[in-house]
Amino acid sequence: NAGVTQTPKFQVLKTGQSMTLQCAQDMNHEYMSWYRQDPGMGLRLIHYSVGAGITDQGEVPNGYNVSRSTTEDFPLRLLSAAPSQTSVYFCASSWGVHLTEAFFGQGTRLTVV
Amino acid sequence: AQTVTQSQPEMSVQEAETVTLSCTYDTSESDYYLFWYKQPPSRQMILVIRQEAYKQQNATENRFSVNFQKAAKSFSLKISDSQLGDAAMYFCAYRNTGTASKLTFGTGTRLQVTL
Repeated sequence: NAGVTQTPKFQVLKTGQSMTLQCAQDMNHEYMSWYRQDPGMGLRLIHYSVGAGITDQGEVPNGYNVSRSTTEDFPLRLLSAAPSQTSVYFCASSWGVHLTEAFFGQGTRLTVV
Repeated sequence: AQTVTQSQPEMSVQEAETVTLSCTYDTSESDYYLFWYKQPPSRQMILVIRQEAYKQQNATENRFSVNFQKAAKSFSLKISDSQLGDAAMYFCAYRNTGTASKLTFGTGTRLQVTL
């Protein structure tokens, strides 16, 4: 059971480039989220989804797009990378709204130069 | 909007001793969930313990326990018999009921464990 898989683990982008961070889970979880982690700021919610076809913005959505065409996949797109998007990105999933654990991927360290 | 505050950026504890990490939060909800996550150098986020707000009894998981004070909006984590493997970043997190996708995190406390 792989859990939540994020690819790539590391990425360097040039300013203005676009890319997609991949997230896949094999636990049939309805709920998925993307967070970014910056030093001294904890994890902040970028976008989230409550099921296939349904997404919504979190606390820091600007510069990012998401889609949820299947239950398993929740990719995060950077449209035009900026140095301010240098961060560690985490994808998470959970199965229900009660006291359920959120399972996290291993994270993607993204550097924008 | 809910906020979570961890006022101790760094803490240190000797092996086999006990340490308490502080967390306070702000919410207007009466029922909600609270979590402590551990992040070792591997970067993996690992659930340590969880608590439902309407339950008076403090949660415990082996050497980890919480002191949940609902009126004070406080949710501290106590680690007993500290081990070298406990060294990590610890994050306190809040979630409303009915919003499984939306965790609000504190800024974290880095715990060092010394011999």
